[in-house]
Amino acid sequence: EVVLTQSPATLSVSPGERATLSCRTSQSVSSRLTWYQHKPGQAPRLLIYEVSTRAPGIPARISGSGSGTDFTLTISSLEPEDFAVYYCQHWATFGPGTKVEIK
Amino acid sequence: EVQVVESGGGLVQPGGSLRLSCVASGFTLSEHWMNWVRQAPGKGLEWVANINEDGSESSSAASVRGRITISRDNAKNSVYLHMNSLTAEDTAIYYCGRIIAAYEPSEYWGQGTLVTVSS
Repeated sequence: EVVLTQSPATLSVSPGERATLSCRTSQSVSSRLTWYQHKPGQAPRLLIYEVSTRAPGIPARISGSGSGTDFTLTISSLEPEDFAVYYCQHWATFGPGTKVEIK
Repeated sequence: EVQVVESGGGLVQPGGSLRLSCVASGFTLSEHWMNWVRQAPGKGLEWVANINEDGSESSSAASVRGRITISRDNAKNSVYLHMNSLTAEDTAIYYCGRIIAAYEPSEYWGQGTLVTVSS
């Protein structure tokens, strides 16, 4: 079973700043890496699939990159609605999440 | 508009049973895999189970295998999660989602239904 590790656990960022979130997998996952955003009381929101493809309606300020075992979700300029928890996923496994909070 | 709506959560005693339902609208359920994930209080997302288009193939997480099973009734536009021998560790919000194929990303999720296992 592939293990996903996300860092940092919490990221404190000011609106307008850049946020860089990391997801590392215990073995190569090829292009099967997905990112979700989740806010309390809401449904998870698909952001990125296949490492770097944005889901419909996802703004261009959100991007995914990486390969093999190292992946990154970047939010170029944080908007108020971006403060949430972000999860990476491969197959049946989710990472532990990164909470992006207002600094 | 694609929608999935979960229901059936509630308070249940340890060792008890519950059936969650997920009703789909805005798309043809019989053309899609479906899955359930959950989030326990203060924890992250955990994949629970998935099922193929006609219900002939399904998988579940090791943590629930033998106690929680997934099924569907396409004629009723519904997917179910049958939960037995529940423990406190099953306390969570359960989300239903539409997927393209097994373990693929889910673009459409419901708002979730809360299951609380407590005496």
